[in-house]
Amino acid sequence: ETGVTQSPTHLIKTRGQQVTLRCSSQSGHNTVSWYQQALGQGPQFIFQYYREEENGRGNFPPRFSGLQFPNYSSELNVNALELDDSALYLCASSPAWVTYGYTFGSGTRLTVV
Amino acid sequence: QQPVQSPQAVILREGEDAVINCSSSKALYSVHWYRQKHGEAPVFLMILLKGGEQKGHEKISASFNEKKQQSSLYLTASQLSYSGTYFCGTEMGLYGGSQGNLIFGKGTKLSVKP
Repeated sequence: ETGVTQSPTHLIKTRGQQVTLRCSSQSGHNTVSWYQQALGQGPQFIFQYYREEENGRGNFPPRFSGLQFPNYSSELNVNALELDDSALYLCASSPAWVTYGYTFGSGTRLTVV
Repeated sequence: QQPVQSPQAVILREGEDAVINCSSSKALYSVHWYRQKHGEAPVFLMILLKGGEQKGHEKISASFNEKKQQSSLYLTASQLSYSGTYFCGTEMGLYGGSQGNLIFGKGTKLSVKP
């Protein structure tokens, strides 16, 4: 069991740029969710993927998009970065459709300047 | 829709007990509890499913009152390692796109002092 790994750990981008964040889930975890966590706040749900298809989306604009691949890896893409996008982005995976606890990665700290 | 956690912060001495509450205005399917230490990933503690099950994990247990849409996390004989921010995550249903979509509260910061 290797856990959930995210890359990069830190990233600085300029407003208007695009960014791709990566996540590698545990083997066998078919469900991956992405969360945005602002300082001092709880994680906010962005979207979830189950078997490579989007399975639910939070209140985030379309410039937040994602992909999930057959090898249990996934990506979060954010276009036209805004200053308010600065946050910790967390990836969380789970073994199946049925509710289980999530295993979180350590996150990517994104700073938009 | 975001669950409300109380208290916002609590300071304990080692060995003392604490209760953290989480309440929702929506009907819930499950409640998750996580602990996050500064600069680290949230760590799963337990999940409570609709049906009022009470789960335990070492000296940490929780309950889920389905009628009131409330969950409580009980920490007994607290240890220094219990320090961190505790989040409840609520899930409203298996279907309609809401399954697995955890909505987290703002967290309760727990500090355990020697």
